[in-house]
Amino acid sequence: GNSVTQMEGPVTLSEEAFLTINCTYTATGYPSLFWYVQYPGEGLQLLLKATKADDKGSNKGFEATYRKETTSFHLEKGSVQVSDSAVYFCALSAGYSSASKIIFGSGTRLSIRP
Amino acid sequence: EAGVTQFPSHSVIEKGQTVTLRCDPISGHDNLYWYRRVMGKEIKFLLHFVKESKQDESGMPNNRFLAERTGGTYSTLKVQPAELEDSGVYFCASSPLIGGNTEAFFGQGTRLTVV
Repeated sequence: GNSVTQMEGPVTLSEEAFLTINCTYTATGYPSLFWYVQYPGEGLQLLLKATKADDKGSNKGFEATYRKETTSFHLEKGSVQVSDSAVYFCALSAGYSSASKIIFGSGTRLSIRP
Repeated sequence: EAGVTQFPSHSVIEKGQTVTLRCDPISGHDNLYWYRRVMGKEIKFLLHFVKESKQDESGMPNNRFLAERTGGTYSTLKVQPAELEDSGVYFCASSPLIGGNTEAFFGQGTRLTVV
């Protein structure tokens, strides 16, 4: 079946450090891939997405590239800020319409020290 | 425009009691989903409504959980009777019923604690 495996947390970094959160997936067909973020006290928000192989999703300085050959969608940011502290979820949607359920990874808690 | 709203934000109940969670999707969104995150694990799909119809309820854990969406607007998720393992954060999401991989919008979640 379809599944997502992401890096265990928590991850603690200093401000301006480089961030990588690993994510790999298993899916049939051609899934869309997502990173969602949950800031403290808020709901889940879509951070970025990629819908086909070699696409790069980007937002707020974060990037992730859809790698079909390695079935990966690692999240990166060159210089993290304290405001990036949150829980990050890698996810996929395997359907071809908006009516497709999302399959999430277990989440990675990120804490940034000033 | 209002986003997806969920009530209550937090509920603490005793084992054996009943709790009803509510989700108000974004106006006009025909797709409505319920998800649950238990004990810091992955967020798991529970079920999917298209308007008032259950499209997929394969993720519902057992018959203690009952979801409804009368009139295709807001949805409720009732847990009766609640057990300790039902504790977690319940998320609702909605999206429009159009083609393509569109974004699902999530609510803030309801944190349920069963003691």
